[in-house]
Amino acid sequence: GAVVSQHPSWVICKSGTSVKIECRSLDFQATTMFWYRQFPKQSLMLMATSNEGSKATYEQGVEKDKFLINHASLTLSTLTVTSAHPEDSSFYICSANPRTGKNIQYFGAGTRLSVL
Amino acid sequence: GENVEQHPSTLSVQEGDSAVIKCTYSDSASNYFPWYKQELGKRPQLIIDIRSNVGEKKDQRIAVTLNKTAKHFSLHITETQPEDSAVYFCAASTQAGKSTFGDGTTLTVKP
Repeated sequence: GAVVSQHPSWVICKSGTSVKIECRSLDFQATTMFWYRQFPKQSLMLMATSNEGSKATYEQGVEKDKFLINHASLTLSTLTVTSAHPEDSSFYICSANPRTGKNIQYFGAGTRLSVL
Repeated sequence: GENVEQHPSTLSVQEGDSAVIKCTYSDSASNYFPWYKQELGKRPQLIIDIRSNVGEKKDQRIAVTLNKTAKHFSLHITETQPEDSAVYFCAASTQAGKSTFGDGTTLTVKP
């Protein structure tokens, strides 16, 4: 089956530093990947759509200069949380669609970010 | 944009009983409706899905129904077991793959 790998699974950082999260599709190509954020006991909120070879599309209210997304290849998208603050602490999850046109999403295992 | 509402937010049933979770969506362009089960700290796990050209789909103890005219879809779990306890999310997705999630239902199955 389709596998999406996400790293790191858990990261603690100091306030003001930047953190990079990687999302890789291991056995399929993904022209589109999605980044979600999930606060405790809440739903998954779409942050942005990552498009291979072009700029990401951000959802309303998501700061594109704070959450930098790069989709450099058909199997890798990265999310960089810049100048992280405690309120950025959350569970970040990526997902990817195989190029089958069936819009099924395969999720990464998620990254728990704690900003001190 | 799409808006997905999910009810109830919490559901407690006795083992062996059935559980029903309902969702409504607003965007008629949505054509794919997955249901996910999420355990604490884990990724969402797809348990069943339905496309807009189908009214009902069943997989063992799990079934999903879709009323495209009314823009609502439901998850049915029969013969519930304690291991069914988790948070369940519905979602509505467009052809481009962009998904909007419901707020989730915490299902507790009491032995």
